[in-house]
Amino acid sequence: GQQVMQIPQYQHVQEGEDFTTYCNSSTTLSNIQWYKQRPGGHPVFLIQLVKSGEVKKQKRLTFQFGEAKKNSSLHITATQTTDVGTYFCAGIGSYDKVIFGPGTSLSVIP
Amino acid sequence: KAGVTQTPRYLIKTRGQQVTLSCSPISGHRSVSWYQQTPGQGLQFLFEYFSETQRNKGNFPGRFSGRQFSNSRSEMNVSTLELGDSALYLCASSPGQNNEKLFFGSGTQLSVL
Repeated sequence: GQQVMQIPQYQHVQEGEDFTTYCNSSTTLSNIQWYKQRPGGHPVFLIQLVKSGEVKKQKRLTFQFGEAKKNSSLHITATQTTDVGTYFCAGIGSYDKVIFGPGTSLSVIP
Repeated sequence: KAGVTQTPRYLIKTRGQQVTLSCSPISGHRSVSWYQQTPGQGLQFLFEYFSETQRNKGNFPGRFSGRQFSNSRSEMNVSTLELGDSALYLCASSPGQNNEKLFFGSGTQLSVL
């Protein structure tokens, strides 16, 4: 069945450093979503990418969708302590089924 | 607009018992999905309902079941609980059936002793 992978599993960065998490799907996706879950909280929707090669920015966050629509990345520039949490990608495949990746847990050292 | 509401917030059960969890989606949302979250397994898809019909199902045993009512509220049931069922159960709602944006509730933390 459809699988979504994410790397790295954990990332520790000094405040001000950049951070990138990568997402790969075993199948072509109709679109991909990114969510953030703060410690003790629930996942919160960040963005959806639909088009092949699409790039979207939200302040310090840059999201990319691969040309083959099988991979994606999230890049955070100059991390802040408020960026702490787990970042999940979610692939939308057949029948609009939403499959989440295992997440990348980000720690920011002040 | 009220968010997704899940009840109860916490549950403690013993092996062999059954449990029912409830989810009230955002008003107007017709799609409800359920996920199991554990520290080692991430967010595992359980099932999705749209207009009272199950659209998708994950790879969970038949002990896990769900339903959706005409007002879009949803319940999931787990029978014959096992220790491994201890997890955070998250419900998410979406306006339409294409799941273009999921809104999550705070979850029900289930502990099986």
